[in-house]
Amino acid sequence: DAKTTQPPSMDCAEGRAANLPCNHSTISGNEYVYWYRQIHSQGPQYIIHGLKNNETNEMASLIITEDRKSSTLILPHATLRDTAVYYCIDTADNYGQNFVFGPGTRLSVLP
Amino acid sequence: DAGITQSPRHKVTETGTPVTLRCHQTENHRYMYWYRQDPGHGLRLIHYSYGVKDTDKGEVSDGYSVSRSKTEDFLLTLESATSSQTSVYFCAISGIQGRETQYFGPGTRLLVL
Repeated sequence: DAKTTQPPSMDCAEGRAANLPCNHSTISGNEYVYWYRQIHSQGPQYIIHGLKNNETNEMASLIITEDRKSSTLILPHATLRDTAVYYCIDTADNYGQNFVFGPGTRLSVLP
Repeated sequence: DAGITQSPRHKVTETGTPVTLRCHQTENHRYMYWYRQDPGHGLRLIHYSYGVKDTDKGEVSDGYSVSRSKTEDFLLTLESATSSQTSVYFCAISGIQGRETQYFGPGTRLLVL
């Protein structure tokens, strides 16, 4: 079973920021927070990951609370192409770790 | 995008027949994974490999076997396909610069009649 919890669905207006929350209630000190998304029936696409500090890349920003029990993925200017299912995962930094994907959040970006 | 291809992309087969799915990577990554995705279950790990001829079971390995004779290829075999193995199968790789980010292939849709 997934170790994280996410809202099943969210809407966002095109051009606005999309803020997707995730709870990591059982995360331990050496576990990273990963975010992926899956557009339609394509393979999951890596977005971003972090351990303690906030992270930003060309796709998104990741905010991790100080206690690391929750994180937020921010898409600063959502477009219609960002409509997808978004998954958050926490996993230890060792090879072969099973990435447990929960049901994720279905983000709908509306025109 | 990571250099991962899967073949075939679509397959229809009959119950009881053997099926082999292929994952090919051009990234020289050490780790390769096979997942299946079904409605209501998310992605579930079937088997993974941590090197040539080194494999281990995942969460849902019953009815599946794998082989890895070359770094670039990871094969998933259904010895005798069943209707419960109708699914979308994804391959993933990891091992870039010491991090474990997994990169996924485009998937194979398998229908077992």
